[in-house]
Parts: sequence; C-alpha cells; structure tokens
Amino acid sequence: GAVVSQHPSWVICKSGTSVKIECRSLDFQATTMFWYRQFPKQSLMLMATSNEGSKATYEQGVEKDKFLINHASLTLSTLTVTSAHPEDSSFYICSAKTSGDYNEQFFGPGTRLTVL
Amino acid sequence: GQNIDQPTEMTATEGAIVQINCTYQTSGFNGLFWYQQHAGEAPTFLSYNVLDGLEEKGRFSSFLSRSKGYSYLLLKELQMKDSASYLCAVRDSNYQLIWGAGTKLIIKP
Repeated sequence: GAVVSQHPSWVICKSGTSVKIECRSLDFQATTMFWYRQFPKQSLMLMATSNEGSKATYEQGVEKDKFLINHASLTLSTLTVTSAHPEDSSFYICSAKTSGDYNEQFFGPGTRLTVL
Repeated sequence: GQNIDQPTEMTATEGAIVQINCTYQTSGFNGLFWYQQHAGEAPTFLSYNVLDGLEEKGRFSSFLSRSKGYSYLLLKELQMKDSASYLCAVRDSNYQLIWGAGTKLIIKP
C-alpha cells in the first residue's frame, strides 16, 4: 500500500517558538493532503485540506495564520505551528490521497507535539 | 448537521466475535470507512463500503445499509492485538471524511 511519512515523530518545544511538521507521500503523488489533530481519547479533527499548488482550505475555528500549511509539491506538505502555546500540544496527523473516484486516504504515523 | 454515532467502549473475550455499530447522518454519501487506531498511533485502514451489503476481509467484515444510515464492523476470532479504537468515517458530498468519535475495544483473556 501507499506510504506516508511524517517528520518529526515527536517534538518538544518552548512556548512562543514555531514548529514545522513535514508530511511526505513516499511512493505516490498526493493531489490532496489533509491535516488533523487529535486530543487524547478524542477522534480526529480535520484542520485543513490542501491541494498541491493552491492555498489550503481551513476548517471553521482553525486559525490559518497560526497553522501555516504549504503544499508545494505532489509529495510534500508542511504544517507550521507558529508561536506555539501549551494548548497546541496535541497529536498531529497528516493524510494524503490521489485523485480518482475511490481515493482512500493514507495516513502518516503522526507527530506528537508538546509545548512547554 | 452531520453526525456519526458509535459506542464509546466495548469489551469482548479473546476468541469471540464482536460487532461495532455505526450510524450516520451526513450531507451526501460517498462511502464509509472503518479504521483501526492503536493508542498513540495513526489510524490504519480496515475497510471501505459504498454499496449495500457485506464486505469480508479475513477476520474482519464490514456491512452497510445506506437506506438506514447504518454500518457495522464485525471482528471474528478476537485476538489480544485487536484491542484498539475503531473509527467509523463517512465521506460526504464534498468528499470530506466525517469522523465518529471511535469505539474503544477491550479484549479480555
């Protein structure tokens, strides 16, 4: 099956700093990538959808200036958490899919962010 | 609004069978997915249903009734490694995945 990687797998940072998370599709071209966050014992919450070469579409309540998403190529999307605060601590997961009618989303392994 | 309902937690015995139900109300329907998620890990794909009926894949089967807005995931010959959360997700008319909160399945020896 298709493989999606994320880097880093976990990161600890100080409050006020910015953190960049990379999401890569390793063996397929991802026309669309999704970014989710998941709090403990809760389901996935979609943050934004990004199509290669265009601006990301953010879900209601997600600050686009705080969570910067770049999808510059068909195999790479990045999420930058700017001026991180402890409440941003969460499990961030990306997924990617190709175009087509049946286009399963392939998930990355996730990035655990802890903001001190 | 859009809503996916599934039980919060279920307990079953090793070697037994368990059925996890999912009901949904969404704006449009373009398929239903089941994912397995172990604690601290990302979800992994289990099954996809877009037509009514039963899809069998090894020990796991998934059923869909579009008219009832209902699906279930059936796990047979339960193993301890099946202890995980099982997420039901529906793809709506905008091809967005709407997620249920997940069912935590606890397997006892």
